[in-house]
Amino acid sequence: DIQMTQSPSSLSASVGDRVTITCRASQSINTFLHWYQQKPGKAPRLLIYGASSLHSGVPSRFSASGSGTDFTLTISSLQPEDFASYYCQQSHSSPLTFGGGTKVEIK
Amino acid sequence: QVQLVESGGGVAQPGRSLRLSCAASGFTFSHYGMHWVRQAPGKGLEWVAVIWYDGSNKYYADSVKGRFTISRDNPKNTLHLQMDSLRVEDTAVYYCARVFHSGNSQSLDLWGQGTLVTVSS
Repeated sequence: DIQMTQSPSSLSASVGDRVTITCRASQSINTFLHWYQQKPGKAPRLLIYGASSLHSGVPSRFSASGSGTDFTLTISSLQPEDFASYYCQQSHSSPLTFGGGTKVEIK
Repeated sequence: QVQLVESGGGVAQPGRSLRLSCAASGFTFSHYGMHWVRQAPGKGLEWVAVIWYDGSNKYYADSVKGRFTISRDNPKNTLHLQMDSLRVEDTAVYYCARVFHSGNSQSLDLWGQGTLVTVSS
């Protein structure tokens, strides 16, 4: 199975900050990498698919890049509604696997 | 309204069974592959199973293989997860999710609200 490692596991930031989350795959997954946001008690929400494509309705302050084994999700200016957990997921190989998550908390 | 609504969660003793359902509406269910993903309390997301749009292929996580069965009823727009021989470690919120195809890439673009399964004696 492909292991997905996210870092950091948590971070504290202020509104307006630029935030970057990284995700590393245990082997090359090309651009079969997706990012989700999850708020407490809610289902995950697709933010980014194919490593860098913004899903419909997602604010442009979210961006992502990467290919192969190393990927990043960036929030250019953190907003109050962005405090949540973020997960990466690979779809290169079965089984689908998720990163352990990054919790973005208010400083 | 495009949505997925899970049902069937609850409390079960170890070794017993539960059947989860996921009702789809607002889109052509029979055109989409569907997944089950679970999340243990306070933990991350774990993929459980997938079924092709026409039910022709099914795949499972090793942790549930031989115990869980994914199925679908396209005329009734419903996805199921039959969970047998339940274990304490199956305790989680179970989500159904729709496949979003972009080229060869599969992400999950529509999720249900989740249904909680608690396995406890």
